[in-house]
Parts: sequence; C-alpha cells; structure tokens
Amino acid sequence: DVKVTQSSRYLVKRTGEKVFLECVQDMDHENMFWYRQDPGLGLRLIYFSYDVKMKEKGDIPEGYSVSREKKERFSLILESASTNQTSMYLCASRDYWDSTNEKLFFGSGTQLSVL
Amino acid sequence: QQPVQSPQAVILREGEDAVINCSSSKALYSVHWYRQKHGEAPVFLMILLKGGEQKGHDKISASFNEKKQQSSLYLTASQLSYSGTYFCGTESVFGNEKLTFGTGTRLTIIP
Repeated sequence: DVKVTQSSRYLVKRTGEKVFLECVQDMDHENMFWYRQDPGLGLRLIYFSYDVKMKEKGDIPEGYSVSREKKERFSLILESASTNQTSMYLCASRDYWDSTNEKLFFGSGTQLSVL
Repeated sequence: QQPVQSPQAVILREGEDAVINCSSSKALYSVHWYRQKHGEAPVFLMILLKGGEQKGHDKISASFNEKKQQSSLYLTASQLSYSGTYFCGTESVFGNEKLTFGTGTRLTIIP
C-alpha cells in the first residue's frame, strides 16, 4: 500500500517562527499536494507540485512556500508563522499518469497551533 | 475557486437514502469523491471522468453531468459506517493537475 508520512501529528509554534512541515511518500508519485483544513471551509489547496523542483500555487498560497528537492519529499514552509495559520495540514500524493489510479493518498495530517 | 457542495450537513436514520451535490463554475475534466471520518485522513471513494458516466460500488454511486458542471453522490440504504464528511474534488483541465476540494458535507447516520 502507498504510504504518505507527515513528520509530526501535533506541532506548537510561536508567532514569527519559521515552520517546516515535512511529507514523504514511498510510491514514486509525480504529484504532491498541501491542503489546509478548517471547520466550515473544507480542504483548501495551498501548493502542489507535479515534479521535482516544479511547483504551482494553489488557492491560498499567501504566507507559505514549498520545496521539492527530491521526488519523494514535499515540504511546506511557513516563513513567519501567524495565529491565522493555526490549522490541520494535510499532505497528499498521486500517480497522475496512471489512468486507472488517479486517486489521492493522504497523510494523517499535522495539527499546527501557532501561539 | 472551490466547488460548492450541498447540503452542508444532513442527518439520516439507518436505511434512508442521501444525495450530496457538487457544482463548479468551471468546465470539469474530472470529479473525485472522498469520505473523512473524524480524526482520520480522507479516503478515496470514486473518480468520474469527463463523459457523463456514472459509477458505483455496493450502495454508493455517483453521476457526472459535464454540461452542468455538476456531480452527485448517491448513498442508498445508508449504514452507520457511512457517517463522516464527504468531499468532492474537481479538476478543470486535463494536464493541469490541480485538484480543488469543496467545503464538505457532514453526514450523520443514526440508528
């Protein structure tokens, strides 16, 4: 089975800190995604990547950046954490070019609290 | 822009049927459906591609009307295990690879 691993389940940071959220997948998937989930707002796309060093902004990229130096790893960076970035962050990956299997595989999420 | 889901929440008794709708302002290439149980990651249910097809397995099925840019998820004879939040995800163009999700529909099944 595909495994998408997020480095931390819970994280507490202070306002202004630089925060790194790590995501690793073990199935050589091209596509990787970062979403944040907030009550009533669903899953909102922050950034996605379709290949190594290739990235595209999602719907809410402000305050975030990403890094994909290796195919299996996709990092989300909060340059200067703010309280409005307190949220559940979900990473996902998929094999886009497998027409029989375009589904997303999600990690278990990181609940980030910014104080 | 996020697709719009309706209803936002629904409560059913075991054995009743439910329909969850998803609509987009953009032309769609595909629609994904996922279910998320409390405290867990979303899990894939099905994907529908451009062509207006209908899919299903067991008592959960979905349709895709590309002209109306809408999809509907049908849950028949609901079971307690169907409880959770349902999300639709949409892709507007093949090759764009951007998958955007709706705000979710919370489904509660009571005995």
